Amino acid sequence: SQQGEEDPQALSIQEGENATMNCSYKTSINNLQWYRQNSGRGLVHLILIRSNEREKHSGRLRVTLDTSKKSSSLLITASRAADTASYFCATNNAGNMLTFGGGTRLMVKP
Amino acid sequence: EPEVTQTPSHQVTQMGQEVILRCVPISNHLYFYWYRQILGQKVEFLVSFYNNEISEKSEIFDDQFSVERPDGSNFTLKIRSTKLEDSAMYFCASSERGRAGANVLTFGAGSRLTVL
Repeated sequence: SQQGEEDPQALSIQEGENATMNCSYKTSINNLQWYRQNSGRGLVHLILIRSNEREKHSGRLRVTLDTSKKSSSLLITASRAADTASYFCATNNAGNMLTFGGGTRLMVKP
Repeated sequence: EPEVTQTPSHQVTQMGQEVILRCVPISNHLYFYWYRQILGQKVEFLVSFYNNEISEKSEIFDDQFSVERPDGSNFTLKIRSTKLEDSAMYFCASSERGRAGANVLTFGAGSRLTVL
């Protein structure tokens, strides 16, 4: 598989529940970022975690990074219908480019 | 809030035709990027641009593609002779810093290219 693979590919939950998405990657990284994409729109940056960090919070978002396992998770707490979107992890390992995973499609049912 | 703007939002072209997609990055950003997303697939890196030259490019970015910053505001992607497989959403992005400063990208809304 390629750098930055998310699982699950699709996730359906009820409003108020927590959503957890995972990302695995293959090579060493400088930082890992999570982006959100609403259908047919551009990607919006959510949160960045550097390779020397283990956990980061931003509002209802919590990101963890385990460099020994080359994996990250994104937790959205108390989900809302407006959180319905695709979520992508992206890794920066060399240069300026970000390598995106295939994304997790999250549906939050009201 | 500053945003990256892209034009056109949708372009339909015949195979073999040239296409130019335009982007206006955020004014104080120094790094510019093009990505593409074929329907239902991953977001793929095409090229990054800094200090008026290409800094990185992917295997996708072959001789059919070129980028240019013709003036102080626009950043363009040209596809010289479009193929059916070039049909995709093309995203422009910009960032204030490069890798050393943690490159958070701001994306435009995308230009959908349909090649017939």
